[in-house]
Amino acid sequence: QVQLVESGGGVVQPGGSMTISCATSGFPFSSYGMHWLRQAPGKGLEWLAFIRFDGSNEKYEDSVKGRFTISRDNSKKTLKLQMSSLRTEDTAMYYCAKDLRGGGTYSYTFEMWGQGTMVTVSS
Amino acid sequence: EIVLTQSPATLALSPGEGATLSCRASQTISSMYLAWYQQKRGQPPRLLIHGASNRAAGMPDRFTGSGSGTDFTLTISRLEPEDCAVYYCQHSVTFGGGTRVEIQ
Repeated sequence: QVQLVESGGGVVQPGGSMTISCATSGFPFSSYGMHWLRQAPGKGLEWLAFIRFDGSNEKYEDSVKGRFTISRDNSKKTLKLQMSSLRTEDTAMYYCAKDLRGGGTYSYTFEMWGQGTMVTVSS
Repeated sequence: EIVLTQSPATLALSPGEGATLSCRASQTISSMYLAWYQQKRGQPPRLLIHGASNRAAGMPDRFTGSGSGTDFTLTISRLEPEDCAVYYCQHSVTFGGGTRVEIQ
């Protein structure tokens, strides 16, 4: 079955950096666009970033543009999110998600989600 | 920028009753990209409906999505205790604020 497992979260100081990962299995990873989303404690859902199936194009939400970088390694079926210049407002549960559509088309519909990894930005 | 407004914020109902959740877009959107998610406490969201009316794999037929243009609805029939959750609508990169469904 499809599995997405995030890792690498923890506590980081404001202004610091962190990289979180998403290990996948159970589907042809190299055929699907992938997303990162987050949810601050007690708040709603926020889309952050998207990467094409082949890694050739990325999209970002404005508040993280220039600070976050999404990347993927299709040989390892892994997705990453590099985060820098972290702010207290970046504190959230971070989820990776698989796009509903594959084969080079995208729907920005999040078919499968991982369990999430918690990132806390605090001094 | 599209804004999705969900109402009501909270629904408190009894088992066996039906629920109607609304999602209103600030401008006309394509129903092809309107989705609903269910998020139970302590769990990640789960895709419930995509393309406004297509149930995701494994979701019970008690959940029905409908609507077009700016007005979309998620209907839950015959509520069960397991339906306690927050329900979000979503279009492209935008999520609504959610409706919490409580089963008393």
